[in-house]
Amino acid sequence: AQSVTQLDSQVPVFEEAPVELRCNYSSSVSVYLFWYVQYPNQGLQLLLKYLSGSTLVKGINGFEAEFNKSQTSFHLRKPSVHISDTAEYFCAVSELTGNQFYFGTGTSLTVIP
Amino acid sequence: GAVVSQHPSRVICKSGTSVKIECRSLDFQATTMFWYRQFPKQSLMLMATSNEGSKATYEQGVEKDKFLINHASLTLSTLTVTSAHPEDSSFYICSAPEVGQSYGYTFGSGTRLTVV
Repeated sequence: AQSVTQLDSQVPVFEEAPVELRCNYSSSVSVYLFWYVQYPNQGLQLLLKYLSGSTLVKGINGFEAEFNKSQTSFHLRKPSVHISDTAEYFCAVSELTGNQFYFGTGTSLTVIP
Repeated sequence: GAVVSQHPSRVICKSGTSVKIECRSLDFQATTMFWYRQFPKQSLMLMATSNEGSKATYEQGVEKDKFLINHASLTLSTLTVTSAHPEDSSFYICSAPEVGQSYGYTFGSGTRLTVV
């Protein structure tokens, strides 16, 4: 079975400061990795995904994430955040041969003016 | 990109009544639809998987008689919460595989259900 851990439930950060949202996963098989963003009362929007190839993945809105197989991590980073980045962020994994997503509990990012 | 249209976005119903939530795939055929539930401040939990033309598969602990899922066509999947109770109040989101994309899933915009 797969599991996803997002260690930080809330992350406050000042505007234009860098941010890292942490994600660790546990799986006995190879997985795909995803980061989604959820704005209040909205569905999920894909930020980026790692399927294969380069371990550094660039996504929308200036976000990027790095897959570290040895540490089973997929941390999300942004060098300079904006007020509009305030949202809930979910890390998720999926087996290569399956369709089911396993989500972390989410990290609430609050950007402070 | 692929779009899944989910309606209604918000619904308030009385305890004991039933509520239907629809998810339509626009411009693509969704042979599979995943239904998730999200309680406040918690993550999304998969409830069930619907497949066009066959019975839905429910996750452990999800009452199939309470959460009726129908996937009658390649573009429409519905979730009906029967005899709703306040504890069913939650955010429900559907998701379909993106056809032709490199392993992606499109999510609906979600339905906020409040049972009073």
